[in-house]
Amino acid sequence: DAKTTQPPSMDCAEGRAANLPCNHSTISGNEYVYWYRQIHSQGPQYIIHGLKNNETNEMASLIITEDRKSSTLILPHATLRDTAVYYCTLTYYFGNEKLTFGTGTRLTIIP
Amino acid sequence: DVKVTQSSRYLVKRTGEKVFLECVQDMDHENMFWYRQDPGLGLRLIYFSYDVKMKEKGDIPEGYSVSREKKERFSLILESASTNQTSMYLCASSAGPGETDTQYFGPGTRLTVL
Repeated sequence: DAKTTQPPSMDCAEGRAANLPCNHSTISGNEYVYWYRQIHSQGPQYIIHGLKNNETNEMASLIITEDRKSSTLILPHATLRDTAVYYCTLTYYFGNEKLTFGTGTRLTIIP
Repeated sequence: DVKVTQSSRYLVKRTGEKVFLECVQDMDHENMFWYRQDPGLGLRLIYFSYDVKMKEKGDIPEGYSVSREKKERFSLILESASTNQTSMYLCASSAGPGETDTQYFGPGTRLTVL
């Protein structure tokens, strides 16, 4: 069974904020939420991760609900180059943990 | 920046051939991983290694073996390639146990077995 669930596809207008949801209702206390994206024909690229608090970096923001059962990745001003498949995954604190990528959300930025 | 390189972007082999896929990382990472990616199935872990000469089976190790003789290099070996091993192969590395064990991926090798 998948540990995370995401919508299969979303569209977003260029310049608008893209909000990508992820459900992880069985997350355990020592699991981090990680987001990666994969642009066509390339390897996945790390975006951001978090444990409990909301996080922001130069690429995106991550909002994690208080019960940690869901999260939202926010791309504040989407560009055409953000068109990609976005994966939400969980990783244990102590690392050495394989990544389990589901089928992700295919985000299409519309000009 | 972390750089993970893979020996080939595209590879075509014949059934029964022995195939070597090479992966090199330049950030002194402890962990290295091999995944395959197929449409509708997401990423699936084949093998991983958390130290030189150490290896662990992932979810789908059958038909594959690996070698890690040096810290920076992790090789995936298909002993006798079959058509159902046609796939995109992705190598990744991560620093090791700790709070931010982000995985960094190579560009991938698209292998076709005829």
